[in-house]
Amino acid sequence: QVQLVESGGGLVKPGGSLRLSCAASGFTFSDYYMSWIRQAPGKGLEWVSYISSSGSTIYYADSVKGRFTISRDNAKNSLYLQMNSLRAEDTAVYYCARVRWELPNFDYWGQGTLVTVSS
Amino acid sequence: QSVLTQPPSASGTPGQRVTISCSGSSSNIGSNYVYWYQQLPGTAPKLLIYRNNQRPSGVPDRFSGSKSGTSASLAISGLRSEDEADYYCAAWDDSLSASFGGGTKLTVL
Repeated sequence: QVQLVESGGGLVKPGGSLRLSCAASGFTFSDYYMSWIRQAPGKGLEWVSYISSSGSTIYYADSVKGRFTISRDNAKNSLYLQMNSLRAEDTAVYYCARVRWELPNFDYWGQGTLVTVSS
Repeated sequence: QSVLTQPPSASGTPGQRVTISCSGSSSNIGSNYVYWYQQLPGTAPKLLIYRNNQRPSGVPDRFSGSKSGTSASLAISGLRSEDEADYYCAAWDDSLSASFGGGTKLTVL
Protein backbone atom coordinates (compact mmCIF):
# COMPACT_ATOMS: atom_id res chain seq x y z
CA GLN A 1 0.00 0.00 0.00
CA VAL A 2 1.09 3.57 -0.61
CA GLN A 3 2.95 5.09 2.32
CA LEU A 4 4.46 8.53 2.76
CA VAL A 5 6.38 9.18 5.95
CA GLU A 6 7.71 12.66 6.73
CA SER A 7 10.56 13.37 9.11
CA GLY A 8 12.92 16.19 10.06
CA GLY A 9 10.52 18.56 11.79
CA GLY A 10 11.34 20.26 15.05
CA LEU A 11 11.99 23.53 16.84
CA VAL A 12 14.22 26.05 15.07
CA LYS A 13 15.06 29.71 15.73
CA PRO A 14 14.01 32.46 13.32
CA GLY A 15 16.54 32.71 10.53
CA GLY A 16 17.52 29.10 10.94
CA SER A 17 17.34 26.14 8.57
CA LEU A 18 15.73 22.73 8.52
CA ARG A 19 15.55 19.88 6.03
CA LEU A 20 12.41 17.78 5.78
CA SER A 21 12.36 14.32 4.26
CA CYS A 22 9.53 12.18 2.94
CA ALA A 23 10.10 8.44 2.50
CA ALA A 24 7.82 6.86 -0.09
CA SER A 25 6.89 3.22 -0.46
CA GLY A 26 4.23 1.04 -2.06
CA PHE A 27 4.44 2.63 -5.52
CA THR A 28 6.99 3.45 -8.22
CA PHE A 29 8.20 6.75 -6.81
CA SER A 30 10.03 7.81 -9.97
CA ASP A 31 6.75 7.74 -11.93
CA TYR A 32 5.01 10.37 -9.84
CA TYR A 33 5.08 14.11 -9.30
CA MET A 34 5.25 15.12 -5.64
CA SER A 35 4.36 18.13 -3.54
CA TRP A 36 4.65 19.70 -0.10
CA ILE A 37 1.63 21.28 1.58
CA ARG A 38 1.57 22.91 5.00
CA GLN A 39 -0.99 23.78 7.64
CA ALA A 40 -0.36 26.36 10.35
CA PRO A 41 -1.85 25.50 13.76
CA GLY A 42 -5.61 25.93 13.63
CA LYS A 43 -5.45 27.25 10.05
CA GLY A 44 -6.18 26.00 6.55
CA LEU A 45 -4.07 24.24 3.97
CA GLU A 46 -1.39 26.05 1.99
CA TRP A 47 0.39 24.53 -1.01
CA VAL A 48 4.17 25.01 -0.72
CA SER A 49 5.99 23.38 -3.61
CA TYR A 50 5.85 20.84 -6.46
CA ILE A 51 8.44 18.76 -8.28
CA SER A 52 8.00 16.69 -11.42
CA SER A 53 8.93 13.03 -11.58
CA SER A 54 12.39 13.72 -13.01
CA GLY A 55 12.92 16.89 -11.00
CA SER A 56 13.11 19.01 -14.12
CA THR A 57 10.04 21.12 -13.31
CA ILE A 58 9.65 22.84 -9.94
CA TYR A 59 7.12 25.34 -8.65
CA TYR A 60 6.97 27.27 -5.37
CA ALA A 61 4.38 29.34 -3.57
CA ASP A 62 5.32 33.02 -3.47
CA SER A 63 5.50 32.84 0.33
CA VAL A 64 8.51 30.48 0.22
CA LYS A 65 10.16 31.33 -3.08
CA GLY A 66 13.87 32.02 -2.65
CA ARG A 67 13.97 30.44 0.82
CA PHE A 68 12.80 26.85 0.30
CA THR A 69 14.20 24.25 -2.11
CA ILE A 70 12.38 21.07 -3.12
CA SER A 71 14.33 18.09 -4.39
CA ARG A 72 14.02 14.33 -4.78
CA ASP A 73 16.20 11.24 -4.97
CA ASN A 74 14.41 8.62 -7.05
CA ALA A 75 17.03 6.01 -6.19
CA LYS A 76 16.18 6.45 -2.50
CA ASN A 77 12.42 6.92 -3.02
CA SER A 78 12.68 10.17 -1.13
CA LEU A 79 11.41 13.73 -1.36
CA TYR A 80 13.05 16.65 0.43
CA LEU A 81 12.34 20.23 1.42
CA GLN A 82 15.28 22.41 2.41
CA MET A 83 13.97 25.36 4.38
CA ASN A 84 16.25 28.36 4.97
CA SER A 85 15.70 31.80 6.52
CA LEU A 86 12.80 30.42 8.50
CA ARG A 87 10.21 32.81 9.92
CA ALA A 88 7.60 32.48 12.64
CA GLU A 89 4.92 32.29 9.96
CA ASP A 90 6.51 29.12 8.58
CA THR A 91 5.37 27.30 11.74
CA ALA A 92 3.11 24.52 10.49
CA VAL A 93 2.59 20.83 9.97
CA TYR A 94 4.25 19.97 6.66
CA TYR A 95 2.70 17.21 4.57
CA CYS A 96 4.20 15.50 1.57
CA ALA A 97 1.68 14.34 -0.99
CA ARG A 98 1.66 12.32 -4.18
CA VAL A 99 0.34 14.12 -7.23
CA ARG A 100 -1.95 12.14 -9.52
CA TRP A 101 -1.83 13.47 -13.11
CA GLU A 102 -1.94 17.17 -12.30
CA LEU A 103 -1.88 19.78 -9.52
CA PRO A 104 -3.58 20.00 -7.10
CA ASN A 105 -4.71 16.39 -7.38
CA PHE A 106 -3.12 14.95 -4.22
CA ASP A 107 -4.23 11.34 -3.96
CA TYR A 108 -2.05 10.26 -1.03
CA TRP A 109 -0.78 12.26 1.92
CA GLY A 110 1.69 11.57 4.68
CA GLN A 111 0.82 12.14 8.31
CA GLY A 112 2.86 15.32 8.49
CA THR A 113 5.80 16.66 10.49
CA LEU A 114 5.58 19.72 12.72
CA VAL A 115 7.97 22.62 12.20
CA THR A 116 8.02 25.28 14.91
CA VAL A 117 9.94 28.50 14.34
CA SER A 118 10.41 30.31 17.62
CA SER A 119 13.12 31.95 19.67
CA GLN B 1 -6.70 35.69 2.56
CA SER B 2 -7.30 32.63 0.37
CA VAL B 3 -7.60 32.90 -3.39
CA LEU B 4 -10.60 30.56 -3.27
CA THR B 5 -13.50 31.61 -1.02
CA GLN B 6 -15.46 29.16 1.09
CA PRO B 7 -17.96 29.76 3.90
CA PRO B 8 -16.21 29.19 7.24
CA SER B 9 -18.95 26.93 8.54
CA ALA B 10 -21.88 24.76 7.49
CA SER B 11 -24.22 22.49 9.37
CA GLY B 12 -26.97 19.95 8.94
CA THR B 13 -28.85 17.20 10.70
CA PRO B 14 -28.37 13.49 9.98
CA GLY B 15 -29.95 12.50 6.69
CA GLN B 16 -29.99 16.04 5.33
CA ARG B 17 -28.28 17.29 2.19
CA VAL B 18 -25.74 20.06 2.61
CA THR B 19 -23.72 21.98 0.07
CA ILE B 20 -20.45 23.84 0.44
CA SER B 21 -19.54 26.52 -2.07
CA CYS B 22 -16.16 27.56 -3.42
CA SER B 23 -15.74 30.79 -5.35
CA GLY B 24 -12.73 31.67 -7.47
CA SER B 25 -11.84 33.54 -10.62
CA SER B 26 -11.20 33.05 -14.31
CA SER B 27 -7.55 32.18 -13.67
CA ASN B 28 -8.25 29.28 -11.33
CA ILE B 29 -11.71 27.66 -11.16
CA GLY B 30 -12.77 29.32 -14.41
CA SER B 31 -10.08 27.57 -16.43
CA ASN B 32 -8.96 24.55 -14.37
CA TYR B 33 -10.31 21.55 -12.51
CA VAL B 34 -11.59 21.76 -8.94
CA TYR B 35 -10.68 19.30 -6.19
CA TRP B 36 -12.19 18.72 -2.76
CA TYR B 37 -10.50 17.41 0.37
CA GLN B 38 -11.91 16.17 3.66
CA GLN B 39 -9.88 16.54 6.84
CA LEU B 40 -11.15 14.69 9.88
CA PRO B 41 -9.98 16.05 13.24
CA GLY B 42 -6.32 15.29 13.90
CA THR B 43 -5.71 13.56 10.58
CA ALA B 44 -4.19 14.31 7.19
CA PRO B 45 -6.48 15.54 4.41
CA LYS B 46 -8.08 12.99 2.11
CA LEU B 47 -8.98 13.44 -1.55
CA LEU B 48 -12.75 13.45 -1.90
CA ILE B 49 -13.45 14.77 -5.41
CA TYR B 50 -11.07 15.25 -8.32
CA ARG B 51 -11.51 16.89 -11.73
CA ASN B 52 -14.68 18.72 -10.64
CA ASN B 53 -16.95 15.72 -10.11
CA GLN B 54 -14.99 12.46 -10.02
CA ARG B 55 -14.84 10.31 -6.91
CA PRO B 56 -11.76 8.23 -6.04
CA SER B 57 -12.52 4.60 -5.33
CA GLY B 58 -13.78 4.16 -1.81
CA VAL B 59 -15.48 7.55 -1.56
CA PRO B 60 -19.22 7.06 -1.07
CA ASP B 61 -21.56 8.36 -3.78
CA ARG B 62 -23.17 10.54 -1.10
CA PHE B 63 -20.40 12.99 -2.00
CA SER B 64 -20.67 14.84 -5.30
CA GLY B 65 -18.98 17.82 -6.89
CA SER B 66 -20.00 20.32 -9.52
CA LYS B 67 -18.58 23.39 -11.21
CA SER B 68 -20.11 26.29 -13.06
CA GLY B 69 -18.10 29.21 -14.35
CA THR B 70 -15.83 30.45 -11.57
CA SER B 71 -17.64 28.62 -8.76
CA ALA B 72 -17.83 25.06 -7.54
CA SER B 73 -19.85 23.14 -4.98
CA LEU B 74 -19.52 20.04 -2.88
CA ALA B 75 -22.76 18.31 -1.97
CA ILE B 76 -23.15 15.73 0.77
CA SER B 77 -26.41 13.84 0.84
CA GLY B 78 -27.68 11.55 3.60
CA LEU B 79 -25.51 13.40 6.11
CA ARG B 80 -23.88 11.19 8.75
CA SER B 81 -22.13 12.02 12.01
CA GLU B 82 -18.82 10.80 10.60
CA ASP B 83 -18.99 13.50 7.93
CA GLU B 84 -18.19 16.10 10.57
CA ALA B 85 -14.88 17.47 9.33
CA ASP B 86 -13.17 20.38 7.58
CA TYR B 87 -13.63 20.54 3.82
CA TYR B 88 -11.29 22.32 1.42
CA CYS B 89 -11.62 23.13 -2.26
CA ALA B 90 -8.51 23.50 -4.40
CA ALA B 91 -7.60 24.50 -7.92
CA TRP B 92 -4.61 25.28 -10.08
CA ASP B 93 -4.09 28.92 -10.92
CA ASP B 94 -2.69 30.03 -14.27
CA SER B 95 -0.08 32.03 -12.34
CA LEU B 96 1.61 28.64 -11.75
CA SER B 97 0.46 28.04 -8.21
CA ALA B 98 -2.01 25.76 -6.48
CA SER B 99 -4.63 27.36 -4.27
CA PHE B 100 -6.79 26.04 -1.47
CA GLY B 101 -9.93 27.58 -0.11
CA GLY B 102 -9.93 28.70 3.49
CA GLY B 103 -11.86 25.62 4.53
CA THR B 104 -15.40 24.96 5.74
CA LYS B 105 -16.05 23.34 9.10
CA LEU B 106 -19.06 21.03 8.77
CA THR B 107 -21.02 20.33 11.94
CA VAL B 108 -23.55 17.51 12.11
CA LEU B 109 -26.19 18.63 14.60
